[in-house]
Amino acid sequence: SQQGEEDPQALSIQEGENATMNCSYKTSINNLQWYRQNSGRGLVHLILIRSNEREKHSGRLRVTLDTSKKSSSLLITASRAADTASYFCATQGNDMRFGAGTRLTVKP
Amino acid sequence: EAGVAQSPRYKIIEKRQSVAFWCNPISGHATLYWYQQILGQGPKLLIQFQNNGVVDDSQLPKDRFSAERLKGVDSTLKIQPAKLEDSAVYLCASSFSPGDQPQHFGDGTRLSIL
Repeated sequence: SQQGEEDPQALSIQEGENATMNCSYKTSINNLQWYRQNSGRGLVHLILIRSNEREKHSGRLRVTLDTSKKSSSLLITASRAADTASYFCATQGNDMRFGAGTRLTVKP
Repeated sequence: EAGVAQSPRYKIIEKRQSVAFWCNPISGHATLYWYQQILGQGPKLLIQFQNNGVVDDSQLPKDRFSAERLKGVDSTLKIQPAKLEDSAVYLCASSFSPGDQPQHFGDGTRLSIL
């Protein structure tokens, strides 16, 4: 069974706009990770945030974690057409559980 | 560094046949994972190895699925006999150690059952 639930399921924006994806989960975690998957390819690790961290940045990516609400968000700023992909959150507790993902489309 | 290698990329078989997938993780990665990803869903962990020992296989359908990592490097995942519901992409991933480490994924094997 899957632990994280991403919201929205699909998101379509124009190049240059910001994209925000949310992830909610149910049980306690050690860390939460975000991955990107391009069509027909494997997942690529984007960022890992530990349970005692609240915010992390990596380039155009910003991730927040609120353990009291059991939720996380991924913000991609100044989006590009190349950001078009599915984005998954994964929670690491006793094992790794992935959500169903958000399909992001960035129109040029 | 070379990434996680998987083969074959595609496989089409009929139900009740058997199939095997191969994975070569990143050199030095002790932890290896097999995931099943059904179309439109996130990956589901099937089995996790630490070196050549099984750490977690709680979601592996053991009546038909088996996996091994005999020398703590390469791994194979087998399905015998296959069912229609096994149609999915089978992803292999590896990490330096379990837990607080990013996982590196191969491009997967897309399995179609006729």
